[in-house]
Amino acid sequence: SYELTQPPSVSVSPGQTASITCSGDKLGDKFACWFQQKPGQSPVLVIYQNNKRPSGIPERFSGSNSGNTATLTISATQAMDEGDYYCQAWDSTTGVFGGGTKLTVL
Amino acid sequence: EVQLVESGGGLVQPGGSLRLSCAASGFTFRDYWMSWVRQAPGKGLEWVANMRQDGSEKTYVDSVRGRFTISRDNAKNILYLQMISLSAEDTGVYFCARVEREFIYGRHSYYLDYWGLGTLVTVSS
Repeated sequence: SYELTQPPSVSVSPGQTASITCSGDKLGDKFACWFQQKPGQSPVLVIYQNNKRPSGIPERFSGSNSGNTATLTISATQAMDEGDYYCQAWDSTTGVFGGGTKLTVL
Repeated sequence: EVQLVESGGGLVQPGGSLRLSCAASGFTFRDYWMSWVRQAPGKGLEWVANMRQDGSEKTYVDSVRGRFTISRDNAKNILYLQMISLSAEDTGVYFCARVEREFIYGRHSYYLDYWGLGTLVTVSS
């Protein structure tokens, strides 16, 4: 079965750029999505189709996907960006999530 | 406004059954694929199942295939997840999500654009 791998944690200072990676076999041939989840809340879609932002998502969130790696980049990171981030892709019509990355802003 | 409201969770004994429901509103339910996603306590997200608009195609994660059945009632705008032979590993919050589907750059793109708040399933004796 298809697998996606993320680092368990990423730390960033306020105002700096955070990058979270997601690795999978030929992931660049698929579309990657990213979700943000804060404690006790439902996941929120922040990036879809590799690099598109849904309405209401700040411009500081961006994405890329090439080769075996998709990357979520958060520019000028704010304290409110702290949370868990999950990448997700589809293997045909089967959904696959990465294990999640805890982003700490300190 | 798109709304997805799950219900039907609760405490069930190992080996038991449960049926979850997801009431949809604010969009034309019959036009969308729908998914179930779960999250064990303190763990990550796990995609569980998908269903095509007309029910003609259903996909499951390996760990639930043969035990869980996804279904829908397009007249009532409700998505279901029937779960049998439950074990402790099935404990968690179950979310329903709308699947947006587009054909772009010569291939299909899917993404889960709206999620419910989830319903908690606890399998324990």
